[in-house]
Amino acid sequence: QLQLQESGPGLVKPSETLSLTCTVSGGSISSSDYYWGWIRQPPGKGLEWIGSIHYSGSTYYNPSLKSRVTISVDTSKNQLFLKLSSVTATDTAVFYCARLATKYSYSSYFDYWGQGTLVTVSS
Amino acid sequence: DIQMTQFPSTLSASVGDRVTITCRASQSISSWLAWYQQKPGKAPKLLIYKASSLESGVPARFSGSGSGTEFTLTISSLQPDDFATYYCQQYHSFSTFGQGTKVEIK
Repeated sequence: QLQLQESGPGLVKPSETLSLTCTVSGGSISSSDYYWGWIRQPPGKGLEWIGSIHYSGSTYYNPSLKSRVTISVDTSKNQLFLKLSSVTATDTAVFYCARLATKYSYSSYFDYWGQGTLVTVSS
Repeated sequence: DIQMTQFPSTLSASVGDRVTITCRASQSISSWLAWYQQKPGKAPKLLIYKASSLESGVPARFSGSGSGTEFTLTISSLQPDDFATYYCQQYHSFSTFGQGTKVEIK
């Protein structure tokens, strides 16, 4: 059974860079042709897609966040990473990693999700 | 960007009620729409994909319909476990979620 687990600091200072890791178990990122994504959810609010990546390194970002986001992957560790720079309080959210369900497609629904990790931006 | 408008934002219902949630896209997305259920403190759970395909393991009381710009999620007979927030997601062009519909106990 595929499992995803987010990890990283729960508190980040304004103007700094938020860095999160998603560890995938029960399947290999590099032996499949799926895209993997990051989604965030501010407290009490809705879901926002951040971006998606294929193990080959092909990435797609939400245009509203593109200038501040970097998503990468380490196939040897079966992990994907999220970096969000110049954060402000409005970036406070639960961050989820998830698998896009359709092979070879960067536009798909999400079938496997991590449990999410709360990141608070505050001094 | 494709915008998704979901309504109502809150819905009060009783066990056994038939419940319908609507999601409207700002442009045609064919049938590239999914529905999720989310409970407090949990990740969203996939219910429906491609507008009307039921995800494996999801009870048959959940159904989806629509194409183009108008979509609905229907719960035929609301159960206690169904009180949650529901989101639609378009994946015609990248991904956009609706604002969510909270189904609460009447």
